[in-house]
Amino acid sequence: GENVEQHPSTLSVQEGDSAVIKCTYSDSASNYFPWYKQELGKRPQLIIDIRSNVGEKKDQRIAVTLNKTAKHFSLHITETQPEDSAVYFCAATPDGNTPLVFGKGTRLSVIA
Amino acid sequence: DTGVSQDPRHKITKRGQNVTFRCDPISEHNRLYWYRQTLGQGPEFLTYFQNEAQLEKSRLLSDRFSAERPKGSFSTLEIQRTEQGDSAMYLCASVIAAATEAFFGQGTRLTVV
Repeated sequence: GENVEQHPSTLSVQEGDSAVIKCTYSDSASNYFPWYKQELGKRPQLIIDIRSNVGEKKDQRIAVTLNKTAKHFSLHITETQPEDSAVYFCAATPDGNTPLVFGKGTRLSVIA
Repeated sequence: DTGVSQDPRHKITKRGQNVTFRCDPISEHNRLYWYRQTLGQGPEFLTYFQNEAQLEKSRLLSDRFSAERPKGSFSTLEIQRTEQGDSAMYLCASVIAAATEAFFGQGTRLTVV
C-alpha cells in the first residue's frame, strides 16, 4: 500500500521568510495530493491540493509542486506570518476508492 | 454549523468499558471516513463508508472496533473492552466525491484510564 514520508518534523522560520515542507510517496499510481493545516486543538483543514496532471499550483502565498518521476511533492509558504504556525500534513491517494494516507506532520513555528 | 460534527468532543473511560462515538457528515456527502490520530502523528485510516456500505477496514481495526452507517447519514464507531492503547483522537471526515477535499470534524478525544 501507499506510504508517505514527510520532512522535516519541525520547522522554525522568522516572520517573512519562506517555509518548505517535503513529502515522498511510494505508490506510483497515486494521483491526488492534498495538504492539510491543523491548528492546536482544531480540525485538519485543506489548504491546497494538486493532481498528477499538474506540476505546480499556487494560491496566494501557498504553492505546491509535484515531481511524479521522483515521487515527491512539496509545500511552499512565502512571506510567512505568525498565523501560519500550525502542523501541516501531506497526503496521497491513488484514486478515490483508496483512503488518503497521511504523512506524520510538520510543526511549523513562525517567529515574530 | 453545516460542517462535520462529532459527539462527544471528549470521553474519559475506564479500561474495559465500551464507548461509542457519533459522526454527522455534511448532508450531501456520501463518503464518510474514520481516522485515528495520536500525538505527533498524522491521521491513520480506520474505515470508510459509501452511503451505508462499509467498503474498507484498515488492518489497524481490531475486532473490538465496529462502525456503522445505518441509513447512509450519520455514523457510529464503537470500541469494546477499551485498552489504554486506544487513547487517541478519533476523527471523522466526509467527502462529496472521490479524490476531493475531505472535511474533518473536530474529533473525539478518548482517554482510557
